[in-house]
Amino acid sequence: DTGVSQDPRHKITKRGQNVTFRCDPISEHNRLYWYRQTLGQGPEFLTYFQNEAQLEKSRLLSDRFSAERPKGSFSTLEIQRTEQGDSAMYLCASSSPQGLAVYEQYFGPGTRLTVT
Amino acid sequence: AQTVTQSQPEMSVQEAETVTLSCTYDTSESDYYLFWYKQPPSRQMILVIRQEAYKQQNATENRFSVNFQKAAKSFSLKISDSQLGDAAMYFCAYRSAGAQKLVFGQGTRLTINP
Repeated sequence: DTGVSQDPRHKITKRGQNVTFRCDPISEHNRLYWYRQTLGQGPEFLTYFQNEAQLEKSRLLSDRFSAERPKGSFSTLEIQRTEQGDSAMYLCASSSPQGLAVYEQYFGPGTRLTVT
Repeated sequence: AQTVTQSQPEMSVQEAETVTLSCTYDTSESDYYLFWYKQPPSRQMILVIRQEAYKQQNATENRFSVNFQKAAKSFSLKISDSQLGDAAMYFCAYRSAGAQKLVFGQGTRLTINP
């Protein structure tokens, strides 16, 4: 069990550029979540997948944001035309409906985005 | 919508002492889960303890225990015998039984003084 991994760990981009982040969940976890955490705040929910289906999206996920999980394994989060307000830590988590820790969400280390 | 409030932005405690972190939440639902997560500096968030709302007994995990007061919508975390490794941001989180997303509080930064 290698845990949830995210790539890259840090990303600096200029305003207006597109960025894409990747999340690899714990193997066999069928649920995957994206959260955004700004400095000094708690994480805020963005979206959630069960297998390859995107089942819930927050109103925070504007039309510049898109997330995919094409084969029900890894997921990508793309931000188009980045703005300075997009600067944040983007956290990925995964969970499984089985076992004693049912629905416990395991978090990755996050991708820190800085938009200049 | 559910909200979670942590009224203590920062707390400090002497090593080996006990500290209690506060959390209140607002919901109209009766079936839900509450969590405390720990986020060490530059490290990933890990689950410390979980409480199911239907359980009257307070959850305990080694040095960590909660005081769950359902009627008061309060969910505090007590850390006994504090250790230097307990230093971190602590987040209280809520999840409706019928939903997947976690709703987090603003966090409490805990410092352990040697």
